[in-house]
Amino acid sequence: QVQLQQWGAGLLKPSETLSLTCGVYGGSFSGHYWTWIRQAPGKGLEWIGEINHSGSTNYNPSLKTRVTISVDTSKNQFSLKMSSVTAADTAVYFCVRRVIVTKRLDYWGQGALVTVSS
Amino acid sequence: DIVMTQSPLSLPVTPGEPASISCRSSQSLLHSNGYNYLHWFLQKPGQSPQLLIYLGSNRASGVPDRFNGSGSGTDYTLKISRVEAEDVGVYYCMQVLQIPYTFGQGTKLEIK
Repeated sequence: QVQLQQWGAGLLKPSETLSLTCGVYGGSFSGHYWTWIRQAPGKGLEWIGEINHSGSTNYNPSLKTRVTISVDTSKNQFSLKMSSVTAADTAVYFCVRRVIVTKRLDYWGQGALVTVSS
Repeated sequence: DIVMTQSPLSLPVTPGEPASISCRSSQSLLHSNGYNYLHWFLQKPGQSPQLLIYLGSNRASGVPDRFNGSGSGTDYTLKISRVEAEDVGVYYCMQVLQIPYTFGQGTKLEIK
């Protein structure tokens, strides 16, 4: 059974850098894209970006200048960094596995609330 | 970006009755390979979203057969044949044809 577990700082001040890591347990790490999606409080879902095991990335253009997604295949982990955060970045951040061929997003982490407040 | 528009945004349903959610995209999601790059998710209260339907009409593993997805091009529908109490939550459609992948606003299903 595949499990995604995520961790990182939950409270940030404006202008700081958000940093989250997602560990993948079970299943194959290669052969998938590893995705970050966020959900502002009471709002819908926003796709942030994704990475595969070889480090190839795709980003949402609206966030691209502030976002870096990286991968550590030795640990079966991938990470999200978002610079210069503001209150608008307050959200629950989900890490998700995306299957390459069908593009289905089949396994989701539990979500991590990141609050940006002065 | 491809804009996804769901309707209705709120859906009160009596248990045992059917329910239907519409999702429209601003561009066709039908790829030249014949697949519609449209998924459906359910986010139950306090939980992460879970995949219900992928590529327009394929039920994900473990999803009850009362959930059915249909449609092609720019118009898609999720139908629940007989709503149960456990189906409560917010339903999202998502296009995965073009980056950035985008979601509909969500449809909140509640039990009457």
